[in-house]
Amino acid sequence: EAGVVQSPRYKIIEKKQPVAFWCNPISGHNTLYWYRQNLGQGPELLIRYENEEAVDDSQLPKDRFSAERLKGVDSTLKIQPAELGDSAVYLCASSTRDIPRGNTIYFGEGSWLTVV
Amino acid sequence: KQEVTQIPAALSVPEGENLVLNCSFTDSAIYNLQWFRQDPGKGLTSLLLIQSSQREQTSGRLNASLDKSSGRSTLYIAASQPGDSATYLCAVNAGGTSYGKLTFGQGTILTVHP
Repeated sequence: EAGVVQSPRYKIIEKKQPVAFWCNPISGHNTLYWYRQNLGQGPELLIRYENEEAVDDSQLPKDRFSAERLKGVDSTLKIQPAELGDSAVYLCASSTRDIPRGNTIYFGEGSWLTVV
Repeated sequence: KQEVTQIPAALSVPEGENLVLNCSFTDSAIYNLQWFRQDPGKGLTSLLLIQSSQREQTSGRLNASLDKSSGRSTLYIAASQPGDSATYLCAVNAGGTSYGKLTFGQGTILTVHP
């Protein structure tokens, strides 16, 4: 079974440029998350989707970050314009509450962003 | 606000040793706790999940325990191997309206040398 798939794996951009990350969750997982991980830190939640609905976006910097999950499957996270402090790993994750895998959150490999 | 602390920050052991990684959290009203492994340049791999009603979970050489009332969890690794070298993260899921909002510790960097 395929895991959470993210692209691109690595991205280097100049500040003020836009960038977008794509995520395909595990098949059948209705909950999708975007987390950000700074170097040497644990990940922090940016946004959580239940199907198409963003149910928790309280930590998403809405002035420059946006996300969408059309049709309740794939998701895109966009940053425009990027700032130097946005350099981090952007992790997508998914989960389902269906037994027997209920509640375990599975992460992708991450998209590593460097803003120069 | 939930805070998660992991001790030690780094650990270096010879191959074959049994070891314990510690995780503590400040708010005992949790839904579940999950242990992850992260290799350099990689994402997070789920190791074990313990529901708030459970005391422990086991998978192969790994055993995770949970004492919710004292705000502690431990990850026990038996007969460590060089391939176990990675960063280990624990994360608390608050549940309810904050379901899925994992609060992570900063991790324990484990090195197992031959």
